Amino acid sequence: QSVLTQPPSVSGAPGQRVSISCTGSNSNIGAGHAVHWYQQLPGTAPKLLIYGNTNRPSGVPDRFSGSKSGTSASLAITGLQAEDEADYYCQSYDSSLSGWVFGGGTKVTVL
Amino acid sequence: QITLKESGPTLVKPTQTLTLTCTFSGFSLSTSGLGVGWIRQPPGKALEWLALISWNDDKHYSPSLKSRLTITKDTSKNQVVLTMTNMDPVDTATYYCAHKPYGPFDYWGQGTVVTVSS
Repeated sequence: QSVLTQPPSVSGAPGQRVSISCTGSNSNIGAGHAVHWYQQLPGTAPKLLIYGNTNRPSGVPDRFSGSKSGTSASLAITGLQAEDEADYYCQSYDSSLSGWVFGGGTKVTVL
Repeated sequence: QITLKESGPTLVKPTQTLTLTCTFSGFSLSTSGLGVGWIRQPPGKALEWLALISWNDDKHYSPSLKSRLTITKDTSKNQVVLTMTNMDPVDTATYYCAHKPYGPFDYWGQGTVVTVSS
C-alpha cells in the first residue's frame, strides 16, 4: 500500500481533459514537500513530467499541468492524445519516514 | 548530457546478496546538492524508492528495507553501488538508478531486470 494514493485508472476520449489525484498526509504533501509527477510509457523508464508541484521541464507539452492544495496534488492532461496513454506516478518526501515516496500509479487510457 | 546505466546480475538465488552498479556521466557526485537514488518496480506494480546517496556521502534508506541495503559511491569512477542482502522472490523487479538534484529524480537509467529464483 503506497503512502501516496492515486486512482488505479482514468480514461478519456481524444481531446478531452483528464485529472489524476494524489492524496497524501500531513507528513508529506501537507507538510509542504514538493510533489513531482512522472510518466512511464510501456516498457520504458519513468520520465519527469512535472516538478515542484507545477513546473514543466523543457520539452514537456503545456497540455500537462500540476497543482497542489493541502494534503493533495493533481495532474491534469488537457487535449488528451493517444501518445499520452501511459502510467503516471506522483512522488514526494515524507518527513515521518525520512524518505522519498511514490504513489501507486494511475493508468491513463485513451478511448 | 546526463546519462545513467544500471548493471548487475539478471538472476540471483534466494538468500543471495544482490550487487547493482549505476554508472553515470554528465555530472559529478562531488557537486554540492546532488544525489543518486535507487528505485525499483516489481512486474506490473508501482515504483518504490530504495536508497539515496548524496554528494557529501549522506545515505538514506527506505525504512522497510534499511536492514538489507547498503549504498556507496566511487566519485572517481562515477559509480554508485547498491547491495541488497537476503534476496527473496518478492524482490524480483526492474531496478532503476536516478539523478537527484534538490527536487525530483530528473534523469533515470533504463533499468535492469533482476529475477530471484532458485
